[in-house]
Amino acid sequence: GAVVSQHPSWVICKSGTSVKIECRSLDFQATTMFWYRQFPKQSLMLMATSNEGSKATYEQGVEKDKFLINHASLTLSTLTVTSAHPEDSSFYICSARDVRDTFSNLNSPLHFGNGTRLTVT
Amino acid sequence: AQSVSQHNHHVILSEAASLELGCNYSYGGTVNLFWYVQYPGQHLQLLLKYFSGDPLVKGIKGFEAEFIKSKFSFNLRKPSVQWSDTAEYFCAVNKKNTGFQKLVFGTGTRLLVSP
Repeated sequence: GAVVSQHPSWVICKSGTSVKIECRSLDFQATTMFWYRQFPKQSLMLMATSNEGSKATYEQGVEKDKFLINHASLTLSTLTVTSAHPEDSSFYICSARDVRDTFSNLNSPLHFGNGTRLTVT
Repeated sequence: AQSVSQHNHHVILSEAASLELGCNYSYGGTVNLFWYVQYPGQHLQLLLKYFSGDPLVKGIKGFEAEFIKSKFSFNLRKPSVQWSDTAEYFCAVNKKNTGFQKLVFGTGTRLLVSP
């Protein structure tokens, strides 16, 4: 089945530094990827929609300058947490839709990465 | 705005016990419904989905869910759980035919099955 690789799986960084998280679709192309964040005991919340070759669409309340998203190719989207602070510590998950499903089945489910646990000290 | 409620945050069962996890959503329009499972250290995987048709949906690993439109519910069931079912389960909803989906997730239910 379709595989989405997310790297790193966990990262610890110091406050004020930036962290980049990669999301790759390994055996399919994805014009659209989604970035979610999950705080402890809370649900996955959509942060932004990453569109290949264009600007990401951010959900209300998500700072675009803090969470930089780049979707430079059909198989790679990156999320950079800039000037990280302890309150940014969370579990970040990406998901992707196969570009073939985009046109053939608008209701096809997404493929998820394993997630990245970010801890900011 | 859509929301999804999973009332059981933690469930502990013995092997062979029956399982039912509740999921209620608040959205008046036509929706697609999903259950995802996340095993320890692994990615979210689709367990089953409902788009239309028979409201009783069969998924992988013996799971099933029933869509009751009048109750806005999509509860997950399994007649006899196994230790390997220990995982976190997420119910999710999205508007039908939206194309680029914005899944709305519940808070998740952590299931622990003791051998």
